[in-house]
Amino acid sequence: AQSVTQPDIHITVSEGASLELRCNYSYGATPYLFWYVQSPGQGLQLLLKYFSGDTLVQGIKGFEAEFKRSQSSFNLRKPSVHWSDAAEYFCAVGGGSYIPTFGRGTSLIVHP
Amino acid sequence: EAGVTQFPSHSVIEKGQTVTLRCDPISGHDNLYWYRRVMGKEIKFLLHFVKESKQDESGMPNNRFLAERTGGTYSTLKVQPAELEDSGVYFCASSQVSTSLGQDTQYFGPGTRLTVL
Repeated sequence: AQSVTQPDIHITVSEGASLELRCNYSYGATPYLFWYVQSPGQGLQLLLKYFSGDTLVQGIKGFEAEFKRSQSSFNLRKPSVHWSDAAEYFCAVGGGSYIPTFGRGTSLIVHP
Repeated sequence: EAGVTQFPSHSVIEKGQTVTLRCDPISGHDNLYWYRRVMGKEIKFLLHFVKESKQDESGMPNNRFLAERTGGTYSTLKVQPAELEDSGVYFCASSQVSTSLGQDTQYFGPGTRLTVL
């Protein structure tokens, strides 16, 4: 069965600092991988996705993620965090079906 | 283009009562999905409509949950009678096609936070 682990429940960073959110997955074949963000009062918004090809994926809002098959990881990064990035971030994995499997989420707190 | 909308944003009810959640998908999206996130847990799939037909309801927890999508437009999710463990955030999503995640993107609404006391 497929699964996603986001080991950090909360992450606190200072504005302007770099960010890395961790995601490890379990999936039997080449996965489809996603990062979503939910800001307060908003719906889940797709930040980026990986299906195949280049393992470094660029997304919206200056985010990127790197697929590392050997580590079963798909960590999300941003070089400089803005206060508006404070939100909850969800990693998800999927495959041939249309139903993604989500992690528990990581809540990002940004200090001024 | 309007996104997926959900109503209400919050609902607080007592155990044993009935609650109905509503989801309006993006116009033209035949596929509508319901998910639920129990506090601190993963977001989990509940069911999937294609137009007005239930395509997959394998994630529905029990028969206290009833989902409908009359006319293939908006959908409702009724919980009757509500139990404490039903508390959580209920998300709705819609998409144009449903062959696989590689073919389409699901657009999520803001969710309805349900609290059962």
